[in-house]
Amino acid sequence: NAGVMQNPRHLVRRRGQEARLRCSPMKGHSHVYWYRQLPEEGLKFMVYLQKENIIDESGMPKERFSAEFPKEGPSILRIQQVVRGDSAAYFCASSPATSPSNEQFFGPGTRLTVL
Amino acid sequence: AQSVTQLDSQVPVFEEAPVELRCNYSSSVSVYLFWYVQYPNQGLQLLLKYLSGSTLVKGINGFEAEFNKSQTSFHLRKPSVHISDTAEYFCAVSDRGGSYIPTFGRGTSLIVHP
Repeated sequence: NAGVMQNPRHLVRRRGQEARLRCSPMKGHSHVYWYRQLPEEGLKFMVYLQKENIIDESGMPKERFSAEFPKEGPSILRIQQVVRGDSAAYFCASSPATSPSNEQFFGPGTRLTVL
Repeated sequence: AQSVTQLDSQVPVFEEAPVELRCNYSSSVSVYLFWYVQYPNQGLQLLLKYLSGSTLVKGINGFEAEFNKSQTSFHLRKPSVHISDTAEYFCAVSDRGGSYIPTFGRGTSLIVHP
């Protein structure tokens, strides 16, 4: 049973370009969460999605960031017109259901570098 | 709303020595507590979690943690560390009342020296 998969593992973009980060949850998991990790900081929640629905995007910057989890295919985190401050590790996690006690299973992350 | 404080950003220790990584939390409601480990260039893996019952929780790789409600702490311990335990450790808390998004601490870097 494959774990959470993220690609690409490393992504380099120039300022102003778009970044697309993909996440395939574990088999049987219908809940996806995106987090951002900046150097020497913990994980900051960005968005929580179920298939075709955004449930909670309270951690998403208001501009340039968007996320989707279509009926078919992986979840996508899209960052338009990237700036240097977007450089970070972005982690996706999935869970089979929603409960405060549920373990979230994390992918290996995508490390975004903006030049 | 809840918050998590990991008091030490870095903990250096020699191999086979005991270690304790500290975690304190604040919350207006009852919580679930978690410890995750992150090895270099990898995602987070669950070490252990406290849901209810015994306050001493045993996890993988010989780690354990004790929930202390009066001190609002959930410190992680291991009696004898290995080089392979070198990693970043994150404490997290989620609200029993229904918030499904855990709040993470800033992490503690455990560095095990030979």
